[in-house]
Amino acid sequence: EAQVTQNPRYLITVTGKKLTVTCSQNMNHEYMSWYRQDPGLGLRQIYYSMNVEVTDKGDVPEGYKVSRKEKRNFPLILESPSPNQTSLYFCASNRDGTYEQYFGPGTRLTVT
Amino acid sequence: RKEVEQDPGPFNVPEGATVAFNCTYSNSASQSFFWYRQDCRKEPKLLMSVYSSGNEDGRFTAQLNRASQYISLLIRDSKLSDSATYLCVVLQDDYKLSFGAGTTVTVRA
Repeated sequence: EAQVTQNPRYLITVTGKKLTVTCSQNMNHEYMSWYRQDPGLGLRQIYYSMNVEVTDKGDVPEGYKVSRKEKRNFPLILESPSPNQTSLYFCASNRDGTYEQYFGPGTRLTVT
Repeated sequence: RKEVEQDPGPFNVPEGATVAFNCTYSNSASQSFFWYRQDCRKEPKLLMSVYSSGNEDGRFTAQLNRASQYISLLIRDSKLSDSATYLCVVLQDDYKLSFGAGTTVTVRA
């Protein structure tokens, strides 16, 4: 089954404790992105990757890091989480040349 | 000014009714337009692309008005299963996607 998976699905953590949210897709898509979704705001892109070892900042990259060492994986790293990073996070992928986003199930993060 | 704006609703309609709502965008050079559906904070899924000439997919009709910079979505013969949040998505001229905050539709029996 073609899919994007994310782990964990839910996470409650404390300020400053480093965490990683994993994302994996099995569709051989070149493009992968991370978004956050907050009430009253549209999805905002955090980082994106056009292919292995190629990443770039989205609209709200502060406080986040990513890496793309393999085509299928695109982890999101919060080195020192803060309460304003409490949000619903989605990973997505799409084929090069198309714009239909295939989203993962989401990770609900709470930072206290 | 937000790049993509939507009436958050909610639009509460009875089964069988027609409901329509718009989305406005600020960049006149926007390339492409899409409607996504999102159920109760689950992942968004593509509902349909919006073509210049307008297009239908079953009970759903999408239209684009470039002159006034808005797109619309109309749902005919609403079903309970149509209850969701509908996200307007615009591909900007720099090939980045801008998402609206969504319009919530609730269909009641």
